[in-house]
Amino acid sequence: GNSVTQMEGPVTLSEEAFLTINCTYTATGYPSLFWYVQYPGEGLQLLLKATKADDKGSNKGFEATYRKETTSFHLEKGSVQVSDSAVYFCALSERQGGKLIFGQGTELSVKP
Amino acid sequence: DAGVIQSPRHEVTEMGQEVTLRCKPISGHDYLFWYRQTMMRGLELLIYFNNNVPIDDSGMPEDRFSAKMPNASFSTLKIQPSEPRDSAVYFCASSLMRNTEAFFGQGTRLTVV
Repeated sequence: GNSVTQMEGPVTLSEEAFLTINCTYTATGYPSLFWYVQYPGEGLQLLLKATKADDKGSNKGFEATYRKETTSFHLEKGSVQVSDSAVYFCALSERQGGKLIFGQGTELSVKP
Repeated sequence: DAGVIQSPRHEVTEMGQEVTLRCKPISGHDYLFWYRQTMMRGLELLIYFNNNVPIDDSGMPEDRFSAKMPNASFSTLKIQPSEPRDSAVYFCASSLMRNTEAFFGQGTRLTVV
């Protein structure tokens, strides 16, 4: 079946460091891809999305590019802030049935 | 719109009791998802509905779990009987249509003692 694999956390960075969180997927067809963020005690909220190959999603300084050839959707940010500390989830939505599948999440901790 | 509303926010129950979790999706959304989140297994999809019809319940762990969506504005997830290993945060999410952003509720933290 379809699946999403993320790099394991926790990831600990200093403020202003460069962030990459790797995400790869397995899917039949052409899913839509998403990054969600979860702050402590809250539900998940959408960070960015891409619906077709070579699309780049971006929001709040975060970016991810839909790479069909490598089945990847890595999350990047050039300069992280303490307020970016959260758990980040990569997800895919199956084109046919609409099933929304998440990776296991990657915890990010940014130190001042 | 108030967003996806889940109730209760916290539930503590004794092993063997029936537990019912409730969800009100965003009005007009066609898809509704139920997830369970634990430290060990992360975020697991339990079941999802399209236009009130269950599409895939392969993630429901056991027959003790059941979910219904009697109308477009309400869904329940029931556990009967509950066990300590069911302790988790349960999230409901809804989306307007296939392949679009899902909006999550605040979750229900279930503790079975």
